[in-house]
Amino acid sequence: GENVEQHPSTLSVQEGDSAVIKCTYSDSASNYFPWYKQELGKRPQLIIDIRSNVGEKKDQRIAVTLNKTAKHFSLHITETQPEDSAVYFCAASKDNYGQNFVFGPGTRLSVLP
Amino acid sequence: DVKVTQSSRYLVKRTGEKVFLECVQDMDHENMFWYRQDPGLGLRLIYFSYDVKMKEKGDIPEGYSVSREKKERFSLILESASTNQTSMYLCASGTGAYNEQFFGPGTRLTVL
Repeated sequence: GENVEQHPSTLSVQEGDSAVIKCTYSDSASNYFPWYKQELGKRPQLIIDIRSNVGEKKDQRIAVTLNKTAKHFSLHITETQPEDSAVYFCAASKDNYGQNFVFGPGTRLSVLP
Repeated sequence: DVKVTQSSRYLVKRTGEKVFLECVQDMDHENMFWYRQDPGLGLRLIYFSYDVKMKEKGDIPEGYSVSREKKERFSLILESASTNQTSMYLCASGTGAYNEQFFGPGTRLTVL
C-alpha cells in the first residue's frame, strides 16, 4: 500500500527566509497530492494541492513541485512570516477519486522573529 | 462557511466501554471521514463514506465501526474501548473528487 515519508520533522527558519518541506511516496499510481496546515490547537486546513499532470503550482508565497519519476513532492514557502508557524502535512491519494489519502507524519515549522 | 462539528471536545472513558463519537456537517457534502491523529504519525484514516449508508475501511479500521444513516451525520463507534485508542479523533467532510476536506475541531479521547 501507499506510504508517505516527510522530512524534516521540525524546521526553524528566520522570518523572511524560505522553508522547504519534502515528501516521498511509494505508489506510482497516486495522482493527487494536497498539503494541509494545522496551527496550534486548530483544525487542519488545505493550503495547496497538485495533480499528477502538473509539475508545479504556485499560490502567492507558497508553491508545490512534483517529480513523478522520483516519486517526491515538495512545499516551498518564501518570505516566511510568524503566522506560517504550524505543522504541515503532505498527503498522497490512494484511489482515482482523490479523497482517500495517506498523510505524512508532519513537519513542525517555527518562524523565528 | 463550511461547518463541521463534533459532539465533544474532550471525552474520558473506561476500558471496555462503548464509545460514540458524532460528526455533523451542514454543507450537504457526500464525502465524510474519520481520522485519528497521534504525535509523529500524522493523520490516519479509520473509515470513510462517499454516500449515505455507504462505508469503507481506511488504513486502521480495527476496533472501530461507523454509521451513516443521514447524509449530514457520520458516527464513529468504539465497541469496547481500549487504552491504545486514546487519541485525537478528527472528522472531515468534502464534496466531489480531488477537492478539499474540511475538518472538525477534534475530540480528544482518553481511555483509562
